[in-house]
Amino acid sequence: EDKVVQSPLSLVVHEGDTVTLNCSYEVTNFRSLLWYKQEKKAPTFLFMLTSSGIEKKSGRLSSILDKKELFSILNITATQTGDSAVYLCAVDGGSNYKLTFGKGTLLTVNP
Amino acid sequence: DAGITQSPRYKITETGRQVTLMCHQTWSHSYMFWYRQDLGHGLRLIYYSAAADITDKGEVPDGYVVSRSKTENFPLTLESATRSQTSVYFCASSEMLYEQYFGPGTRLTVT
Repeated sequence: EDKVVQSPLSLVVHEGDTVTLNCSYEVTNFRSLLWYKQEKKAPTFLFMLTSSGIEKKSGRLSSILDKKELFSILNITATQTGDSAVYLCAVDGGSNYKLTFGKGTLLTVNP
Repeated sequence: DAGITQSPRYKITETGRQVTLMCHQTWSHSYMFWYRQDLGHGLRLIYYSAAADITDKGEVPDGYVVSRSKTENFPLTLESATRSQTSVYFCASSEMLYEQYFGPGTRLTVT
């Protein structure tokens, strides 16, 4: 059974701080790892990672994958209150493009 | 409207009633998915479909039925609703090797 574990489950920071969210996984036949942001509505896509060591970047957000150690991190620099959300990690375990999701990290950014 | 839509957005029903949640996408994506999201469990896959007339069970299929007679529609039916099916339901779609896009969700309460 595919498994995705995110840590921490929740995190409270102040505006301007840098945060690192973690995602580890165990899947049968890894194809990709995805990060989503969810703000009281539908998850919205952030990144898809398929290769080790290649950083994906979008503004203040970046993510990297380590396929040897089976984990990924999502970094957010200079956090803003608008970054407050649940961040979801999901893995495509190579079967019909189904995703297995972690339970998410609730990030709260205080002004 | 382009994208992925769900209806109804909110539904209250009684135990034992049959309920159908609708999902429609305009991208002609091959793959469609139904998830439920509950506190403490995260997003869990109920059913998925790889194409019209091809469906398969996910992690938590009991009590649910799906069909996909047309590529763009993927309705989810609760045959006899139970209180444990109170949840937020998300539909998603994707093409092979690409990220999943989520609908806005349906909040279902079973009394």
